[in-house]
Amino acid sequence: GDSVTQMEGPVTLSEEAFLTINCTYTATGYPSLFWYVQYPGEGLQLLLKATKADDKGSNKGFEATYRKETTSFHLEKGSVQVSDSAVYFCALTFTGGFKTIFGAGTRLFVKA
Amino acid sequence: KAGVTQTPRYLIKTRGQQVTLSCSPISGHRSVSWYQQTPGQGLQFLFEYFSETQRNKGNFPGRFSGRQFSNSRSEMNVSTLELGDSALYLCASSLREGGGVDEQFFGPGTRLTVL
Repeated sequence: GDSVTQMEGPVTLSEEAFLTINCTYTATGYPSLFWYVQYPGEGLQLLLKATKADDKGSNKGFEATYRKETTSFHLEKGSVQVSDSAVYFCALTFTGGFKTIFGAGTRLFVKA
Repeated sequence: KAGVTQTPRYLIKTRGQQVTLSCSPISGHRSVSWYQQTPGQGLQFLFEYFSETQRNKGNFPGRFSGRQFSNSRSEMNVSTLELGDSALYLCASSLREGGGVDEQFFGPGTRLTVL
């Protein structure tokens, strides 16, 4: 079945460090891919998305490229801030579909 | 534009009781999805409603049910509560127009504790 696998956390970085959170997926077809972020005590909010192969989603300094050949959608940021501390979820859904599949989430801690 | 609202925010029940959670989507959104979030299982899809019809369902027992009203508001019901039902229940709304892929907007969740 369709699934999303994320790297296990927590990930602990110092401020201004480079961030990579790995995400790979298994899907029968060509899904759209998303990264959501959940700050403490809040619901999830969309961070970025890509709807087809080679698309790059970007927002707030975060980027991810839809790689069909490696079935991956890794999240990157060049210089993290303390305010980026949160849980990050990779997800997929299909056009016209009514179900979004989420990864397990990766908790990020950024130290000052 | 107001966001997704969920009520109540916190709930404490005992085993065997039932509970109803409510979700009001963003105005104009016709799709409402429900998720269960726990430390052990992560974020799991419960079901999605669109135009008052359940369009997809996750792998949860029949004790978990839902419905959607004509104004797109949705309720989720859990009967015969078990300790393992303690979780954060998240609701998300989206447009779902034209069968396209839409961003989901999440509410803050209802924290259910079963004693």
